[in-house]
Amino acid sequence: GQQVMQIPQYQHVQEGEDFTTYCNSSTTLSNIQWYKQRPGGHPVFLIQLVKSGEVKKQKRLTFQFGEAKKNSSLHITATQTTDVGTYFCAGQGEYGNKLVFGAGTILRVKS
Amino acid sequence: EAGVAQSPRYKIIEKRQSVAFWCNPISGHATLYWYQQILGQGPKLLIQFQNNGVVDDSQLPKDRFSAERLKGVDSTLKIQPAKLEDSAVYLCASSPSGGRYQETQYFGPGTRLLVL
Repeated sequence: GQQVMQIPQYQHVQEGEDFTTYCNSSTTLSNIQWYKQRPGGHPVFLIQLVKSGEVKKQKRLTFQFGEAKKNSSLHITATQTTDVGTYFCAGQGEYGNKLVFGAGTILRVKS
Repeated sequence: EAGVAQSPRYKIIEKRQSVAFWCNPISGHATLYWYQQILGQGPKLLIQFQNNGVVDDSQLPKDRFSAERLKGVDSTLKIQPAKLEDSAVYLCASSPSGGRYQETQYFGPGTRLLVL
């Protein structure tokens, strides 16, 4: 079945440094979504990417969808303490089946 | 608008006991999802309803888990009997129409289950 892998599992950065998490799917995706989960909280939707090679920005966050629609990345520029949490990617296969979540990347920011 | 409501927020039970979780989705949302999130992992879909019909329950351990959404609004997830490995957060989510391609899912606060 479809598998979604994320790396790294964990990253600890100094405030102001950049952060990137990568997501890879075993199968071609129709779309990919990114969610953020604060410690003790629940996942909150950030963005959805649908088109091959798509790039979207939200303030300091940049999301990319690979040309082959099998991988994606989230880059945060100049991290802040409010960025702390776990970032999940979730992909849906080509034929409209269920959303499969990656294991997430835990981000910790030192001030 | 009100978000997804779940209860209880926390539950501690002994193995072999039964437990039930309740979810009320965002008003008007046709699709409701139950996920299991084990510590350190991403959410895993257990069951997806569109209105009161099941769309996907391929990962639901049907020998012990059951779920219903009788009137197409709120839903109940039951575990009977519980095992130690069922300790997890059970997340409910909803989305507006649940068409073939996924929309944004709105998650509830979750129920943290500890099985002793």
